[in-house]
Amino acid sequence: DADVTQTPRNRITKTGKRIMLECSQTKGHDRMYWYRQDPGLGLRLIYYSFDVKDINKGEISDGYSVSRQAQAKFSLSLESAIPNQTALYFCATSDLGQSTGELFFGEGSRLTVL
Amino acid sequence: ELKVEQNPLFLSMQEGKNYTIYCNYSTTSDRLYWYRQDPGKSLESLFVLLSNGAVKQEGRLMASLDTKARLSTLHITAAVHDLSATYFCAVDGDNYGQNFVFGPGTRLSVLP
Repeated sequence: DADVTQTPRNRITKTGKRIMLECSQTKGHDRMYWYRQDPGLGLRLIYYSFDVKDINKGEISDGYSVSRQAQAKFSLSLESAIPNQTALYFCATSDLGQSTGELFFGEGSRLTVL
Repeated sequence: ELKVEQNPLFLSMQEGKNYTIYCNYSTTSDRLYWYRQDPGKSLESLFVLLSNGAVKQEGRLMASLDTKARLSTLHITAAVHDLSATYFCAVDGDNYGQNFVFGPGTRLSVLP
């Protein structure tokens, strides 16, 4: 089983709908991130959280919100989806106590907004 | 604002050839990472470079870091088709994980 699990893996929705993407991890890491990937733009940070009570905006947080329900769970919500939010979304984790600071990624959630 | 650039963005090369991908970044940092992504897949960590002059090698790939030049290279030796993928460099701009920025990626195609 994957250490970082994202659900759903694929979702097609309509403009204006509320969408939640969920991420859970079994790595025991304290830090969790949500990134968005668009062709030619690399990965851009949406939100990150360093513990349950810590939520921080990233480069492109407008139109998104997050919830850190537990150390192992970090959800991304689109309150009213729009077509330009069509993208591949990745959750990632890292460990504060780990000297490398490396990010570990989930398998991605492909979202299409019609 | 930290910016990370990669060069080239697209690379088509023949099997057996050598080539280098370059990653430049705009602020001082001692932490640089290389990832590989296959189409439609997740990102797989390749190398973690944590100091000036760091060099890591795995198979036909070798990565290095020059923090003074703000430059990392990913060198491919005697390319094989299995290396076809998109390669991303990423920089931890504050060395604390709060400013982790990715480059746009280099799409590599290795042709027979």
